[in-house]
Amino acid sequence: GQNIDQPTEMTATEGAIVQINCTYQTSGFNGLFWYQQHAGEAPTFLSYNVLDGLEEKGRFSSFLSRSKGYSYLLLKELQMKDSASYLCAVADSNYQLIWGAGTKLIIKP
Amino acid sequence: DARVTQTPRHKVTEMGQEVTMRCQPILGHNTVFWYRQTMMQGLELLAYFRNRAPLDDSGMPKDRFSAEMPDATLATLKIQPSEPRDSAVYFCASGPRVLGELFFGEGSRLTVL
Repeated sequence: GQNIDQPTEMTATEGAIVQINCTYQTSGFNGLFWYQQHAGEAPTFLSYNVLDGLEEKGRFSSFLSRSKGYSYLLLKELQMKDSASYLCAVADSNYQLIWGAGTKLIIKP
Repeated sequence: DARVTQTPRHKVTEMGQEVTMRCQPILGHNTVFWYRQTMMQGLELLAYFRNRAPLDDSGMPKDRFSAEMPDATLATLKIQPSEPRDSAVYFCASGPRVLGELFFGEGSRLTVL
């Protein structure tokens, strides 16, 4: 079967750095996406990785290791507005997105 | 400012009633998705259209759910009859290509009593 695993919840302090991990087992791989979802709102796109390595975009970076079936989202200089759920999704061999359950990130002052 | 538009935003209905949710995808996007999100299950794919053709509805309970895309500007998701377990937030999303960023609507929050 296809499976995406990410921690259910994480807590971090304002100004700090947090790493949200995602491991996957899918039939084929055509890229990994990270989305951010604030409570009561729609998911919004953060990043897309299809090759191994680190993609940096401002305070957010996303890393991929295809051989390990592993990705992480790194958030630096955390702000209170970063409190949200972070969803990991993998595109399988049919380009269908397989979604993780999401990681709820709580930022404390 | 292009965005995906969903109606209704909120719907409260009684068990057994028909519910129809509508979505206007972003003009020019050729992929449209219907997702259901609950606290327990996360995002579940219900239906997927490419160039208005249904490609995947394997996640949709066929006995009560139906999804259609009568034209490029409208996608519908219908539940008949509705049940309390259908209570969830239903998201429509569209994308400009087969693989890429998805743009989500604000969702339709359904409560079935």
